Amino acid sequence: QSVLTQPPSVSAAPGQKVTISCSGSSSNIGNNYVSWYQQLPGTAPKLLIYDNNNRPSGIPDRFSGSKSGTSATLGITGLQTGDEADYYCGTWDSSLSAGVFGGGTKLTVL
Amino acid sequence: QVQLVESGGGVVQPGGSLRLSCAASRFTFSSYAMHWVRQAPGKGLEWVAFIRYDGSKTYYADSVKGRFTISRDNSKNTLYLQMNSLRPEDTAVYYCAKERSNRAFDYWGQGTLVTVSS
Repeated sequence: QSVLTQPPSVSAAPGQKVTISCSGSSSNIGNNYVSWYQQLPGTAPKLLIYDNNNRPSGIPDRFSGSKSGTSATLGITGLQTGDEADYYCGTWDSSLSAGVFGGGTKLTVL
Repeated sequence: QVQLVESGGGVVQPGGSLRLSCAASRFTFSSYAMHWVRQAPGKGLEWVAFIRYDGSKTYYADSVKGRFTISRDNSKNTLYLQMNSLRPEDTAVYYCAKERSNRAFDYWGQGTLVTVSS
């Protein structure tokens, strides 16, 4: 049971847009920055978004992040087959004094 | 390019101990907080532990508190995770990760597999 809640799976066609939600509480998302990670099969996670809505260099602007209250959202536009991966949200929980992740969302590009 | 290389994984019996290492290079290791994150086979990411850039502060997941110890040697650019009283549920790939800011992890190692089994 993850502290942050993500949908187990999402799917969309190539070229389309998809959003992945991440729901938490005031002790985590509500008062801390959110980051998003992409994990391709058999590889280490890769940072996509940090500080709610910032992209590291090299991450295309097809990826975007937003936060409102105790929820955050990852958006991916212009879907490509190479985007098929597991996506995780993460943040700090001030009550637990611990890092927390969502359970992960598997993206399928149909 | 930043490099993080974990080592020390392997097969250990329940109740046993293991020490993981993470060798860091191509960045100023002593200036950054570091974390361990694990992933059980077929499961999601689980945050394990944090250590401040100077080693003065540490935090742990409840699932490992009292059994695992995170430490670092800034003179050797190396992060450690001492794991004691290992349980089958500790079986996972363990990643070390560099914190960019605000608990965002911008670089990850390739991971090292720990299997706890009799």
